[in-house]
Amino acid sequence: NAGVMQNPRHLVRRRGQEARLRCSPMKGHSHVYWYRQLPEEGLKFMVYLQKENIIDESGMPKERFSAEFPKEGPSILRIQQVVRGDSAAYFCASSLTDYNEQFFGPGTRLTVL
Amino acid sequence: AQSVTQLDSQVPVFEEAPVELRCNYSSSVSVYLFWYVQYPNQGLQLLLKYLSGSTLVESINGFEAEFNKSQTSFHLRKPSVHISDTAEYFCAVRDSGTYKYIFGTGTRLKVLA
Repeated sequence: NAGVMQNPRHLVRRRGQEARLRCSPMKGHSHVYWYRQLPEEGLKFMVYLQKENIIDESGMPKERFSAEFPKEGPSILRIQQVVRGDSAAYFCASSLTDYNEQFFGPGTRLTVL
Repeated sequence: AQSVTQLDSQVPVFEEAPVELRCNYSSSVSVYLFWYVQYPNQGLQLLLKYLSGSTLVESINGFEAEFNKSQTSFHLRKPSVHISDTAEYFCAVRDSGTYKYIFGTGTRLKVLA
């Protein structure tokens, strides 16, 4: 039973480029959460999605960041026109229902040059 | 709002010595508590969790944590550490009835030979 999958594991972008991070939840899970870990900090909640719906994006920067979880396929976190401050580890988690335990993926480490 | 404090950013300890990593959360009537371990450049691994029942929870590799409601603490302990325990440890809290995990800033455990 595969866990939460994230790819790529490492992503390097130059300033101004777009970054697309993918997350495949555990089998049977339809709730996905994205967290960001800045250097030397703990994880911070960004957004919570269910299939085709954004439930809570209160932790996501208003500009340049967007997330989706389509009916088919993985959840995507998109960062447009990346800046150096976007360099961080981005973790995805999934759960069976909204208040069930979340299982975390291995993360994507984004480096912006 | 819920918050998590891990007072010690770094804890050096000699091999086979005991260790305690402290975690305090702000307050709540009902909370779920977690400890995660993160090895360098890797994802989060759940170490142990308290959801309900016995206030003392244990992991398979010798760690234990005790939920203390009156002191709003969930300290992590191990009676004898190994070099392989060197990693960063994150405490996380989720209020029951919510889905957001609130993470502490992490404690870097360095086990010395």
